Amino acid sequence: DTEVTQTPKHLVMGMTNKKSLKCEQHMGHRAMYWYKQKAKKPPELMFVYSYEKLSINESVPSRFSPECPNSSLLNLHLHALQPEDSALYLCASSQELEDRTTYEQYFGPGTRLTVT
Amino acid sequence: DAKTTQPTSMDCAEGRAANLPCNHSTISGNEYVYWYRQIHSQGPQYIIHGLKNNETNEMASLIITEDRKSSTLILPHATLRDTAVYYCIGQSHTGNQFYFGTGTSLTVIP
Repeated sequence: DTEVTQTPKHLVMGMTNKKSLKCEQHMGHRAMYWYKQKAKKPPELMFVYSYEKLSINESVPSRFSPECPNSSLLNLHLHALQPEDSALYLCASSQELEDRTTYEQYFGPGTRLTVT
Repeated sequence: DAKTTQPTSMDCAEGRAANLPCNHSTISGNEYVYWYRQIHSQGPQYIIHGLKNNETNEMASLIITEDRKSSTLILPHATLRDTAVYYCIGQSHTGNQFYFGTGTSLTVIP
């Protein structure tokens, strides 16, 4: 099973709402990632988790709050978002995260978020 | 982290080889070159990666120049389903972070 699943597929939320995006993998991967992709732009790295601990935060605003409850699950909690946060949010996983070692990342299909 | 540059768009006739170039002149000695593609509104799909030697798998071939400043992804017999945006990525030397470049939009023409 080389699948990364993301729910929901689409989400529309108001600027005062609180919502969460969910990502799941069952490949035994110990590194998980969140990316944001605006229309016609490449994905941009937001967060990296390694062994369930936050490893990298690419200066993402605090209205985005990641959480890794266990090695298979990654959440992204959203609160007080702005219309410019509307984008495709992609989750990915890889085997591990080690210096000078490389592993391919497996991406989910993404959640299309619209903030109204 | 290596910055990559790619042509914005390319066309390829169906059945012909598609050769997608990438410049990564700032790549360091232990950074890998990865290629992914993204079909409209789907998640990126891994294609191939390499360090110094040329690589081949069931999807594509990767040719890396000896000085490692550039590489070419080759899809040997392009099909309409290969129409996508292709990203060349220099993998961070500090771990497994990917910083995507702007990519090449490949259109396979019947």
